[in-house]
Order: sequence, then C-alpha cells, then structure tokens
Amino acid sequence: QVQLVESGGGLVSPGGSLRLSCAASGFAFSDYYMNWIRQAPGKGLEWVSNIDGRSTYTTYIDSVKGRFTISRDNAKNSLYLQMNSLRGEDTAVYYCARSPSASSGFRWGQGTLVTVSS
Amino acid sequence: DIVMTQSPDSLAVSLGERATINCKSSQSVFYSSNNKDFLAWYQQKPGQPPKLLIYWASTRESGVPDRFSGSGSGTDFTLTISSLQAEDVAVYYCQQYYGTPYTFGRGTKLEI
Repeated sequence: QVQLVESGGGLVSPGGSLRLSCAASGFAFSDYYMNWIRQAPGKGLEWVSNIDGRSTYTTYIDSVKGRFTISRDNAKNSLYLQMNSLRGEDTAVYYCARSPSASSGFRWGQGTLVTVSS
Repeated sequence: DIVMTQSPDSLAVSLGERATINCKSSQSVFYSSNNKDFLAWYQQKPGQPPKLLIYWASTRESGVPDRFSGSGSGTDFTLTISSLQAEDVAVYYCQQYYGTPYTFGRGTKLEI
C-alpha cells in the first residue's frame, strides 16, 4: 500500500535553513505529482508546493517563493523541500502528499514538525 | 486563487442524527474534459494527519463508513454524515485541487 514517511523536521532559528525529506513506497513514484502541505499549530491546512513526475514543473504559494525549493529523486523514490530564510510563520507540521489519480484521492504522510524560534 | 468557504464553523449534533457541512468555491472546480469535480473532504482528529473521506466530490475512500457521503457540483458541495457516531467528533475540511494553489476551507468543528 501507499506509504509516505517524512523526516528532517526540528527546531531552527529564524533565518535558518532546513531540508525535509519524504520517502515514498507502494506506488510508481515517478508517475505522480507530489505535494507539500503544512498546518500551523492550532490552524488550518495550507498547500505549499508541488512538483510533477519529471521535475519539469514546480509551483509554490506566494509566501514561500524564493525561499523554499521542492525537488525529487525518482531513483530514490524521495521528495524534498529545501527551506531557507525560515520565519516564525513557517512553524508547522509539514505533510508530504501524493496527488490524486483517476481512482484515488490525495495520499498523506504522518507529517514532520518544523519549529522556527530563537 | 480559489477561495473555499465552509459553513458552519462549528456544529453540534446529537448521536444518531444527521450532520451537514457545506463548502462553496469562489469559482467552479468542475473539469469538463473528465467530467469530475476536483473537490475532496477530510476528517482530522487532534494529533493526527487529515484522513481522506471523499474525493472527486462524491467518491467515498475505501474503508470509510457509508454514513459519510459527498454531493454537489460546480461551486457548491456538501458533506453529510447520515447518523452521527461518537467517533465522528473531529474537524472537517474541504479542499479544491482544480488549480494551484490548492486551497482548503477553514474547517468545521463537529461536536456531539
């Protein structure tokens, strides 16, 4: 079955950097768009970024453009999010999610917590 | 960006009664080329990731009890829980995936 396991979260100072990873299994990874979605403590869900199967297209929300970079390694079935110039408002649980297909909806991982604080 | 407006913000329903949550998108999320509405519903309990309930507006995810159903098309959608169970207490979100940025409603807190 589909499994998505995020890692790389932790405590980082404002202005710092962090790289999140997502290990995927149970499906043909390169066939799917992949996404990062976040949820600040006690708040709602916010889609952050996605990337197509061949890394040709990437999209970001305005608040992270120029600071975050999404990438993937299909040989390793892995998705990444490089986060630079981190701010307090980036504090959130970050979820990796596979985009829907004709026969399925989004598939989510368990999330990894990023805390930006001095 | 497509704005998703959920209502109500919170809802108290008695056990065994029907719960209805509404979601309205600021533009249509229906894609005529595949005849589908790009709309999903999630349930989230504290400390857990969102759980997919419904996708393509009305397709129930495998393993989701049939008391959960999704309806609507275009810009107006509804999640219905036909007979509320204690384990249904949670926050419910709608999401459009018609176009990026994919956007979510603000959530509806469902209580007994």
